[in-house]
Amino acid sequence: GEDVEQSLFLSVREGDSSVINCTYTDSSSTYLYWYKQEPGAGLQLLTYIFSNMDMKQDQRLTVLLNKKDKHLSLRIADTQTGDSAIYFCAESTYGNNRLAFGKGNQVVVIP
Amino acid sequence: EPEVTQTPSHQVTQMGQEVILRCVPISNHLYFYWYRQILGQKVEFLVSFYNNEISEKSEIFDDQFSVERPDGSNFTLKIRSTKLEDSAMYFCASRGGQGGLETQYFGPGTRLLVL
Repeated sequence: GEDVEQSLFLSVREGDSSVINCTYTDSSSTYLYWYKQEPGAGLQLLTYIFSNMDMKQDQRLTVLLNKKDKHLSLRIADTQTGDSAIYFCAESTYGNNRLAFGKGNQVVVIP
Repeated sequence: EPEVTQTPSHQVTQMGQEVILRCVPISNHLYFYWYRQILGQKVEFLVSFYNNEISEKSEIFDDQFSVERPDGSNFTLKIRSTKLEDSAMYFCASRGGQGGLETQYFGPGTRLLVL
């Protein structure tokens, strides 16, 4: 079955890079996602990576996938105060409706 | 930009009472979901719904839960007799179903507190 693990808290200075990590267990995962949740808001899809890719860059976001270690990371370059939020990684498998989420990682950006 | 909406944003209820959580998915979407997050824990899948029937449900989604699409726009989650452990944030999500990458779009959630 799916199990997704994340560390819980990260503080970072504005302008620095932040890296959030996630491990997963289901080797049949097809897509891996990063969602962002700001206070009082829903889960906003930030980016995703298909399991046959190692890296994906999307403006300030870089996703790295290590399939051997089942490790996913999200790097946010030039972190801004608006990046303060909880970040969830999630996985899905082909033909499977459900998303399996990690516990989330709270990022606090210090001005 | 279209978005998923949920009402109410907060609900407080007594143990044993029935609650109905409401969602309006994105209008041309075909697949609908409920997830929940107990405080401090992971977001957990409850159920998916397609073509007016449940397509998948988790072990959490027992007989006290039901879902319905009563009209063309609403998607509801009913908890028949609430327990203390049902206190959680409940998220609704929808996805298109028209092919391609099928990302799920989430609503802001309903925070349910059972006393």
